[in-house]
Amino acid sequence: DTGVSQNPRHKITKRGQNVTFRCDPISEHNRLYWYRQTLGQGPEFLTYFQNEAQLEKSRLLSDRFSAERPKGSFSTLEIQRTEQGDSAMYLCASSSQTSGRYEQFFGPGTRLTVL
Amino acid sequence: AQKVTQAQTEISVVEKEDVTLDCVYETRDTTYYLFWYKQPPSGELVFLIRRNSFDEQNEISGRYSWNFQKSTSSFNFTITASQVVDSAVYFCALRANSGYSTLTFGKGTMLLVSP
Repeated sequence: DTGVSQNPRHKITKRGQNVTFRCDPISEHNRLYWYRQTLGQGPEFLTYFQNEAQLEKSRLLSDRFSAERPKGSFSTLEIQRTEQGDSAMYLCASSSQTSGRYEQFFGPGTRLTVL
Repeated sequence: AQKVTQAQTEISVVEKEDVTLDCVYETRDTTYYLFWYKQPPSGELVFLIRRNSFDEQNEISGRYSWNFQKSTSSFNFTITASQVVDSAVYFCALRANSGYSTLTFGKGTMLLVSP
């Protein structure tokens, strides 16, 4: 049973550039979540998919952020026109609705640095 | 709205000492779920335990134990005979039954175990 994977692990970009991150959840998990974590803080929820449907978006998710999960498997998170305030660790997690358990399993994260 | 408070920012202990990490939560839901996660220096969040609001039985797993008290809205985590490998940031999280299944995290407690 492979865990959640995320790519890339690190991304350095210049302000104003677009970046895209990928998350591959645990294969049998139908729920997928994106969180953002800044230094010294706990993860903050960004958005949530059940299968391919994006069911919830946080107010933290500005118009520059977009997420997709086209076939209900992997997901991408794109940030357009990056700003220095976007520098953070972006975490992806997945869980199974059918298991009746609610714990989310996290990937290693993508650390974004905006110069 | 949900809220999780981890008042201890950082705790330092010497190996073999017992240590308790505090977690206080707020929710209006009568059904909810509480979690503890460990984030070692490598950065990946590791699931430790889930507790349902309707099950106040305390749990012990090896050197780890959890004390859930609804009367005080607390879900504390104790490590017995701490080891250097326990050094990490520990997060408490809450999932309410209403709405979607996102997690609300506390700010975390950094535990430093020195030899």
